[in-house]
Amino acid sequence: AQKVTQAQTEISVVEKEDVTLDCVYETRDTTYYLFWYKQPPSGELVFLIRRNSFDEQNEISGRYSWNFQKSTSSFNFTITASQVVDSAVYFCALSGRSGAGSYQLTFGKGTKLSVIP
Amino acid sequence: NAGVTQTPKFQVLKTGQSMTLQCAQDMNHEYMSWYRQDPGMGLRLIHYSVGAGITDQGEVPNGYNVSRSTTEDFPLRLLSAAPSQTSVYFCASSYAGQKNSPLHFGNGTRLTVT
Repeated sequence: AQKVTQAQTEISVVEKEDVTLDCVYETRDTTYYLFWYKQPPSGELVFLIRRNSFDEQNEISGRYSWNFQKSTSSFNFTITASQVVDSAVYFCALSGRSGAGSYQLTFGKGTKLSVIP
Repeated sequence: NAGVTQTPKFQVLKTGQSMTLQCAQDMNHEYMSWYRQDPGMGLRLIHYSVGAGITDQGEVPNGYNVSRSTTEDFPLRLLSAAPSQTSVYFCASSYAGQKNSPLHFGNGTRLTVT
């Protein structure tokens, strides 16, 4: 069975501060993919990034960066110089095989980020 | 390009009533799934389908039925609604058989069972 743990339930930061959202996963697969999704207050789910288990290079996209460390089974997400528009619930997810053999996406419980102006 | 379309957006049911949540996608995705989102629980998989005529259970299937007669549509049926089914329901789709395919989500259906 696979599992995703987002230990931070809620985080509040003041605008322009940096913030890191933690994600720890468990899987028996040797090849797997990790994802981050954003859910703003409007409720839709927005795909942010995908990372495969063989690529441990950090990725940066504007103010967003992701740190994947296979040795600690972590895939953390950092927002630099946070803005009010970053306020959302962020989900980490892991793709792996189900018992039936098809791939399923398992989500963490999410971290609610509030950026205070 | 509509993507994944869910209807209705909101629904209130009384205990014991039945209803169908509709989901349609126009991206020719073989994989479709239903999740429910509850406070503090994240998204939990209810049922999924890897193609027309093929469905399987996810983590929380009890109380829900699905069918997949076409590639485009994947309705979710509640046969006898219970208050425990009060939740936000998301339909999602992706390319089947590819663990690297990100899910495309609909905008959700907020269901209240009284």
